[in-house]
Amino acid sequence: DVKVTQSSRYLVKRTGEKVFLECVQDMDHENMFWYRQDPGLGLRLIYFSYDVKMKEKGDIPEGYSVSREKKERFSLILESASTNQTSMYLCASSIPGGVYEQYFGPGTRLTVT
Amino acid sequence: QKEVEQNSGPLSVPEGAIASLNCTYSDRVSQSFFWYRQYSGKSPELIMSIYSNGDKEDGRFTAQLNKASQYVSLLIRDSQPSDSATYLCAVDSQGAQKLVFGQGTRLTINP
Repeated sequence: DVKVTQSSRYLVKRTGEKVFLECVQDMDHENMFWYRQDPGLGLRLIYFSYDVKMKEKGDIPEGYSVSREKKERFSLILESASTNQTSMYLCASSIPGGVYEQYFGPGTRLTVT
Repeated sequence: QKEVEQNSGPLSVPEGAIASLNCTYSDRVSQSFFWYRQYSGKSPELIMSIYSNGDKEDGRFTAQLNKASQYVSLLIRDSQPSDSATYLCAVDSQGAQKLVFGQGTRLTINP
């Protein structure tokens, strides 16, 4: 079974803090993704990565950065958290090449106060 | 026009009936189509994938794809209260190894 884990289920941070969200997958998947999910807006892609050291901007990268130093780990960084970044953050992984099935972690509900 | 469109619902179906969920997409070159189930407060779970025109059955679930009409659907037979969830349709984006998600249809199965 594919296993994607995220470092925290719930997180509360203050405005201006630097926030790290960690995601680890154990299936040797090349592709990893970060989404945020908000009521009425659906799932929106923030960043994705096809390989170690690689990153690509998604649809809403502003205010975020990512790091992929190892194949199994993909980190999302909020450089200076703001209240409009309060959301559910979901990590996913997939194998490359034509199949595109993505498997999600349990999610991190981040509240910025 | 949104890339992937779903009726947001809520769709209410009596227990034991067939639930029918629909999705249209705009990118004609899309080749991979998925249905995810998401319970409230949980993350999306992949339940069906379909790549060719026609029907694909897995237990009580049937996915149907019509590329000419750019339409994909999910049928749930013998609906159970445990099927109450939001169902997300996802489509690959121009071969870019990423998916575009619809906003989801909220399904409620009434006992």
